Amino acid sequence: DGGITQSPKYLFRKEGQNVTLSCEQNLNHDAMYWYRQDPGQGLRLIYYSQIVNDFQKGDIAEGYSVSREKKESFPLTVTSAQKNPTAFYLCASSRMFGPYEQYFGPGTRLTVT
Amino acid sequence: ELKVEQNPLFLSMQEGKNYTIYCNYSTTSDRLYWYRQDPGKSLESLFVLLSNGAVKQEGRLMASLDTKARLSTLHITAAVHDLSATYFCAVDAYNQGGKLIFGQGTELSVKP
Repeated sequence: DGGITQSPKYLFRKEGQNVTLSCEQNLNHDAMYWYRQDPGQGLRLIYYSQIVNDFQKGDIAEGYSVSREKKESFPLTVTSAQKNPTAFYLCASSRMFGPYEQYFGPGTRLTVT
Repeated sequence: ELKVEQNPLFLSMQEGKNYTIYCNYSTTSDRLYWYRQDPGKSLESLFVLLSNGAVKQEGRLMASLDTKARLSTLHITAAVHDLSATYFCAVDAYNQGGKLIFGQGTELSVKP
């Protein structure tokens, strides 16, 4: 079955620690995205990548970093510089050429105390 | 800058009633997507609308796209409790490699 997996589902960390969220897809999609969602809010784009070894900042990239070493994988690191990291993080992927329907992973809920 | 606005943001309706969610966007685009999100869950794709006048239906939901008016609607017919969720529309931001601009979401609650 093709799809997107994210791990872990729940993550608890102490303030000041960096944490890496995993995102893997086997849809053969070129583009991948990371979003943040806060309770009762919409989606905000953190980073996106259209091809391997290339990525662009989204609307709220500060305090986050990504890498794209393989087409299938797009991990997100939440650094200690991110002031309010507690949120629901969603990874998505799409084809490189339209239509750009994005397919979402199940999400990772990060709690930092 | 492309902006996408949904209204209403909150909708409480009775089972059996009809209602429409509106999605307005600010610049030219002919590709629009509707997603559903259940509480605590991820987003699930509902409809992909790819041209002016496109209409898609699935069960009690029907989505349409008017690119001239820059408007999409999601119409709910004879609502049932299972439709309670948050619905997002998203518009293709041309020349940005697949980046979608999402609306704020409409939280729908269907009560008996």
